[in-house]
Amino acid sequence: GESVGLHLPTLSVQEGDNSIINCAYSNSASDYFIWYKQESGKGPQFIIDIRSNMDKRQGQRVTVLLNKTVKHLSLQIAATQPGDSAVYFCAENYTGRRALTFGSGTRLQVQP
Amino acid sequence: DTGVSQNPRHKITKRGQNVTFRCDPISEHNRLYWYRQTLGQGPEFLTYFQNEAQLEKSRLLSDRFSAERPKGSFSTLEIQRTEQGDSAMYLCAREEGNTGELFFGEGSRLTVL
Repeated sequence: GESVGLHLPTLSVQEGDNSIINCAYSNSASDYFIWYKQESGKGPQFIIDIRSNMDKRQGQRVTVLLNKTVKHLSLQIAATQPGDSAVYFCAENYTGRRALTFGSGTRLQVQP
Repeated sequence: DTGVSQNPRHKITKRGQNVTFRCDPISEHNRLYWYRQTLGQGPEFLTYFQNEAQLEKSRLLSDRFSAERPKGSFSTLEIQRTEQGDSAMYLCAREEGNTGELFFGEGSRLTVL
C-alpha cells in the first residue's frame, strides 16, 4: 500500500555538523515531496520541496535529494544549529491528489 | 507567520461534549485543509475545501465530525459527542496557489477527559 516512512526515529548530532534525515516512500506514482519541520507545540513548518523531475534542490542550509529508483528522499542540513532541533517529516503526493501523506517523523537533537 | 490562524489553541473537554475549532487564513485562499495529528505521529488528512465546496473527506472523518467553509474564507471543524480517542492536534493549512505547498497554522489541541 501507499506509505511514507522514516528510517530513524531520533538523530543526534553535534552543533556545526551536517545532518542527514532519510525517508522512504512506496508509491511509485508520487511526484511531489515536501520536508516539514515541527517544533514542540507548533504546526509543521514548510522547509523545502522537490518535484520528481528533479534529483536535487537546495535552499538556505538545506538540500533535498530524491532518488526515484529506490524511492528514497533525504534532507541534508548544513552546519546544524541548536535551533534546528525539532521533528522532521517528509510528505508526499501525486498529481491529481490533494492530500499529502506524511511519514511518522524523525527527531533531530543538536548537542551543543 | 504562515498566514493561518487557529483558535482555540487548546481545548479541554469532557467526553460526550461538542467542540468547534476555527481556522482563519490570511486571505481567501482557494484551498483549505484540515489534518489531525496524534502524539508522535505525522499529520493525517481529514478533509479539504476548494472555496466553499468540501471536495474530499478522509475515512478518518466519522459522522461525528463536520467541517464547513460557508463563505470560502474561514472554516470550522466541529466534533460532536467527543471521545477520548479524539484527543489530538487539529491542524488547518492553506495551499499556496495551486502548487501543493501547504502552510499550516499552529493547531488546536484537543484533550478529551
